[in-house]
Amino acid sequence: DAGVIQSPRHEVTEMGQEVTLRCKPISGHNSLFWYRQTMMRGLELLIYFNNNVPIDDSGMPEDRFSAKMPNASFSTLKIQPSEPRDSAVYFCASSLSGDLEKLFFGSGTQLSVL
Amino acid sequence: KQEVTQIPAALSVPEGENLVLNCSFTDSAIYNLQWFRQDPGKGLTSLLLIQSSQREQTSGRLNASLDKSSGRSTLYIAASQPGDSATYLCAARGSGNTGKLIFGQGTTLQVKP
Repeated sequence: DAGVIQSPRHEVTEMGQEVTLRCKPISGHNSLFWYRQTMMRGLELLIYFNNNVPIDDSGMPEDRFSAKMPNASFSTLKIQPSEPRDSAVYFCASSLSGDLEKLFFGSGTQLSVL
Repeated sequence: KQEVTQIPAALSVPEGENLVLNCSFTDSAIYNLQWFRQDPGKGLTSLLLIQSSQREQTSGRLNASLDKSSGRSTLYIAASQPGDSATYLCAARGSGNTGKLIFGQGTTLQVKP
């Protein structure tokens, strides 16, 4: 298995632009997580899906952030409009269930909003 | 609200030393606790997962312990090697099992040859 695949690896955009981050979880995993990592705040959970349904989106910072999981093999995190303070590394992770299994992380998307 | 703390933030040791990384959490009602490794510019790799009913887990030179009553977990690395240099993060999953992992800020380890 190729693991959790995220794209793009790096994204540089200007303030106000729309940004879409993509994630393909490990085949067969039914839980998917979006995390954001910054030096100041560390790793923060943004949203968590189980069987394609959003379970906990309390970590989504603002209405500018939205996430979708149209099927078991794909998820997107969208920021519209983007702001400089959104600059961070965004990680996607998946697990076999939300209960006992280990999380498997993708390599992340480094987002820079100028 | 669960808070996870890791001390120290950074640690430097000579090769071959045994070392302990510390993790503390404020809410003892956890579902499980997990230790991760993060290399620069990379994602996180799960090292060990300890269920709330367990006291320790071992994998090779790594041993993780869990003491729920005191709100502490430790990661013991035996005979450290330069390849162990990385940031180590612990994360606690709440008892409500919402899937939410609360991460510590990590300890950055440097093992000098």
